[in-house]
Amino acid sequence: EAQVTQNPRYLITVTGKKLTVTCSQNMNHEYMSWYRQDPGLGLRQIYYSMNVEVTDKGDVPEGYKVSRKEKRNFPLILESPSPNQTSLYFCARQSTEAFFGQGTRLTVV
Amino acid sequence: GEDVEQSLFLSVREGDSSVINCTYTDSSSTYLYWYKQEPGAGLQLLTYIFSNMDMKQDQRLTVLLNKKDKHLSLRIADTQTGDSAIYFCAEGLYSGAGSYQLTFGKGTKLSVIP
Repeated sequence: EAQVTQNPRYLITVTGKKLTVTCSQNMNHEYMSWYRQDPGLGLRQIYYSMNVEVTDKGDVPEGYKVSRKEKRNFPLILESPSPNQTSLYFCARQSTEAFFGQGTRLTVV
Repeated sequence: GEDVEQSLFLSVREGDSSVINCTYTDSSSTYLYWYKQEPGAGLQLLTYIFSNMDMKQDQRLTVLLNKKDKHLSLRIADTQTGDSAIYFCAEGLYSGAGSYQLTFGKGTKLSVIP
């Protein structure tokens, strides 16, 4: 069964404390993306990766980093989280039939 | 840049048809999508249509595409309470760098009244 798995599903953290949201896929897919979803704004792309060691900025990359050391994993890193990064985050296999993870609800206090 | 617009709310009675509308601006879109998001859940791909098609039907779902007006609609026949969710319209485009990008609308919250 095709899966995109994100962890954790829920996270509350404090301003400035580095965190990583993991994403892994079992489809051997090259192209992955991270999105954030905010009420009234829909989904906005943060970063994407077209292959191992190839990453690029999306529409709202500020305050985020990603890495793609292997095809399977595509973690999202917040080096110094701030309250405006409180959001619902989705990792996705990006393709003509995009497949999304279940989401990570992050609260930064 | 691309922009996808859709109304934020729609309320229908159970058993009626729902029609969710969307407009997009980029005529080079390859595919146009409808995603469904139930409360607390991720995005589920409902259906999509290739840009050279006018219509696609899949059980209770009918997608209509008017390329001239850049208008996409999703009709749900015999709407059920389980159809209550947020529906996102999205367009997919290949960029010059070879990446395939999705641009989402803000979502339409469908409420089904029993």
